[in-house]
Amino acid sequence: DAKTTQPTSMDCAEGRAANLPCNHSTISGNEYVYWYRQIHSQGPQYIIHGLKNNETNEMASLIITEDRKSSTLILPHATLRDTAVYYCIVREWGGATNKLIFGTGTLLAVQP
Amino acid sequence: NAGVTQTPKFQVLKTGQSMTLQCAQDMNHEYMSWYRQDPGMGLRLIHYSVGAGITDQGEVPNGYNVSRSTTEDFPLRLLSAAPSQTSVYFCASSYSRLAEKLFFGSGTQLSVL
Repeated sequence: DAKTTQPTSMDCAEGRAANLPCNHSTISGNEYVYWYRQIHSQGPQYIIHGLKNNETNEMASLIITEDRKSSTLILPHATLRDTAVYYCIVREWGGATNKLIFGTGTLLAVQP
Repeated sequence: NAGVTQTPKFQVLKTGQSMTLQCAQDMNHEYMSWYRQDPGMGLRLIHYSVGAGITDQGEVPNGYNVSRSTTEDFPLRLLSAAPSQTSVYFCASSYSRLAEKLFFGSGTQLSVL
């Protein structure tokens, strides 16, 4: 079972920041937080991951709380093309497989 | 680079028929895997492979077979299709089992009547 909880859906105005929350209260010390997104009818796409420090790349920023029980994915200037299902995933580092347990994610609808 | 290529994109089968979903990657990735996606259930891991000649079961392996004779290819076989196997299937690969990113194909939509 997925170890994360996300809202089912969210709306965001085009050009504004989209903040997608994720709860992972049972995360353990060697587990990373990953974010993927899936645009309609396409395969999932990696966005970003982190352990305990905030991370930023060309796509997004990831803010992880100090207790690591929750995180927020930030898309700084959302566009219509960011409309997708966003998955927050907890993954053990060094596990036997590159197994990612996907939950049902958050459907982000960017409105014009 | 083409990345991860899946064929066919769409397939309709009758119950009891067999078929193979093809997956190929041109990134020299060691790790390959198959997921199925059903409405309201996210993606579930079917089988995976950490290298040529090595495969293992995921969360939902029943009804599916895999083999990995080359680094590039990881076909998924349905020996006797059932309506419960109607789903969208995604193949994914990464540099190794510990790699940070999985690269996904564009999916195969399978309907079993």
